[in-house]
Amino acid sequence: TQLLEQSPQFLSIQEGENLTVYCNSSSVFSSLQWYRQEPGEGPVLLVTVVTGGEVKKLKRLTFQFGDARKDSSLHITAAQPGDTGLYLCAGAYNNDMRFGAGTRLTVKP
Amino acid sequence: DAGVTQSPTHLIKTRGQQVTLRCSPKSGHDTVSWYQQALGQGPQFIFQYYEEEERQRGNFPDRFSGHQFPNYSSELNVNALLLGDSALYLCASSLGSGFLGNEQFFGPGTRLTVL
Repeated sequence: TQLLEQSPQFLSIQEGENLTVYCNSSSVFSSLQWYRQEPGEGPVLLVTVVTGGEVKKLKRLTFQFGDARKDSSLHITAAQPGDTGLYLCAGAYNNDMRFGAGTRLTVKP
Repeated sequence: DAGVTQSPTHLIKTRGQQVTLRCSPKSGHDTVSWYQQALGQGPQFIFQYYEEEERQRGNFPDRFSGHQFPNYSSELNVNALLLGDSALYLCASSLGSGFLGNEQFFGPGTRLTVL
């Protein structure tokens, strides 16, 4: 059983569309991270959120940490084929790191 | 500046055998963490090494062991391999023990297949 539940599991959209993926947990995390993983590679860190209610923007990506620090969302505006990949959320404690199963995003040209 | 490197890239073993995977951290990093990523799943934390000692450990049996060398590189050893050990094994390096405030950089992984 995953401590962090990500939804949807799979998402296939056309270039130019907007999308939101979610990461939910019943546990409170000290911080939450989002990664993108491409085939044959390790995950690459996109952002770390620490404060409840925090919103961070990275170009076309907007990350939000829930007020209670149990959930997070990633919104992508005007998706591009280069956004294709596995998006993972991970919750951190000082002595442990827990990952969700990921959302596999495909953006079609 | 080399990032995190892992070897070998792929490995095929049979049940009951033992395997050793290797990781060299990013330059300047002193901490190495190992993860197991089964197909269709997110990475699961195995353990973390800092100052040549295992500092944190996830929920993995004693068949999984490791080592860190004075140059900060690390090995992951798995004994008595089971079919369920087939996975992508990821190494991540960071500066300092623990996970809070320490950005991890991942290697490309070693794909282990147990037949």
